[in-house]
Amino acid sequence: GQNIDQPTEMTATEGAIVQINCTYQTSGFNGLFWYQQHAGEAPTFLSYNVLDGLEEKGRFSSFLSRSKGYSYLLLKELQMKDSASYLCAVRDRGYQKVTFGTGTKLQVIP
Amino acid sequence: DSGVTQTPKHLITATGQRVTLRCSPRSGDLSVYWYQQSLDQGLQFLIQYYNGEERAKGNILERFSAQQFPDLHSELNLSSLELGDSALYFCASDDQDRHSYTFGSGTRLTVV
Repeated sequence: GQNIDQPTEMTATEGAIVQINCTYQTSGFNGLFWYQQHAGEAPTFLSYNVLDGLEEKGRFSSFLSRSKGYSYLLLKELQMKDSASYLCAVRDRGYQKVTFGTGTKLQVIP
Repeated sequence: DSGVTQTPKHLITATGQRVTLRCSPRSGDLSVYWYQQSLDQGLQFLIQYYNGEERAKGNILERFSAQQFPDLHSELNLSSLELGDSALYFCASDDQDRHSYTFGSGTRLTVV
């Protein structure tokens, strides 16, 4: 099975940088995802890491260390619209199901 | 539009009733995953189908069942509904080469 931990809530200032951490314990690993979810809406895909290292995509970057069971999502130049929940999720090696953490609710303040 | 279609968008029903939620995956995707998200809760995996066959089962109650049809659309059946079943139900499909799930817009179920 999978066990995924991430902080429940974070607050950051518009224009700043924020790092959201995720740790996981898994019996099989085939990739880690980050999703953004606004309240009442569907999650939208942000990033996917399967190898160690940093993946950068515009204002968003995601890092993975498989040996440490650790990932982070880095958001730069924060905008008010970035206020949302950020979900860390891990894919099984077997039948590919994805297990989600409970999410980190990010509030961006002026 | 994500390409994953879920109907209906909203559903209000009484306790003890039965409902069916429908999902059509993105064109070319063979897998369908169902998730439940209760208020302020994380996404709970219910069940996965791949090309018509059940592949993985999560925390799905015995009152719930699902199937995937030859045209690859899937239906989630919820019976003997309870107040606690009120939630957002999402389906997702994926193409493993794209390394991402794509979610439908969800069905908001309210049991009164």
